[in-house]
Amino acid sequence: GAVVSQHPSRVICKSGTSVKIECRSLDFQATTMFWYRQFPKQSLMLMATSNEGSKATYEQGVEKDKFLINHASLTLSTLTVTSAHPEDSSFYICSAKTDSGQGNGYTFGSGTRLTVV
Amino acid sequence: GENVEQHPSTLSVQEGDSAVIKCTYSDSASNYFPWYKQELGKRPQLIIDIRSNVGEKKDQRIAVTLNKTAKHFSLHITETQPEDSAVYFCAAPLGGGGNKLTFGTGTQLKVEL
Repeated sequence: GAVVSQHPSRVICKSGTSVKIECRSLDFQATTMFWYRQFPKQSLMLMATSNEGSKATYEQGVEKDKFLINHASLTLSTLTVTSAHPEDSSFYICSAKTDSGQGNGYTFGSGTRLTVV
Repeated sequence: GENVEQHPSTLSVQEGDSAVIKCTYSDSASNYFPWYKQELGKRPQLIIDIRSNVGEKKDQRIAVTLNKTAKHFSLHITETQPEDSAVYFCAAPLGGGGNKLTFGTGTQLKVEL
């Protein structure tokens, strides 16, 4: 089945630095990738939708200059948290839309636990 | 805006009893309704899903029912076991061409011995 590999699984960074999270589709082409953020004991909140070769579409309230998304190829999408602050500490998870993946084509990465100190 | 509402937020049942979680959605164009189980610190795991052309789907102890007219769908777990304890999320693709999967607020299910 479709697999999305997400790295890193955990990262601790200092305030003011940037962190890049990668999601790779291993055996399929992901033309669309969704990025979610999940705070403790809360739901997954959609941050943005990235499409290969075009600009990402951000949800209301999500700063596009702070959360940079690049989807330069059909197998790789990246999320960069710039100038991270403690309030950005969260669980970030990507999801790819496929035509052959499990569950109507939504395949999730394993998530990245970001801690900003 | 488009959203998915989920109830209850917490649910405690005795082992062997049934558990029911309900969701409502706002976008009448939604045509796919998955349920996920999420354990702490892990990705959501699809446990069952239903498309809009059927009203019910069952997989062993788990079933999902859909009422498109009322725009609500429910998860039913029978003969609950301690390992069923987790957070459950419903979801539906809302807006954005019907692709953006929007999650409900989640239900913490606890199955007590």
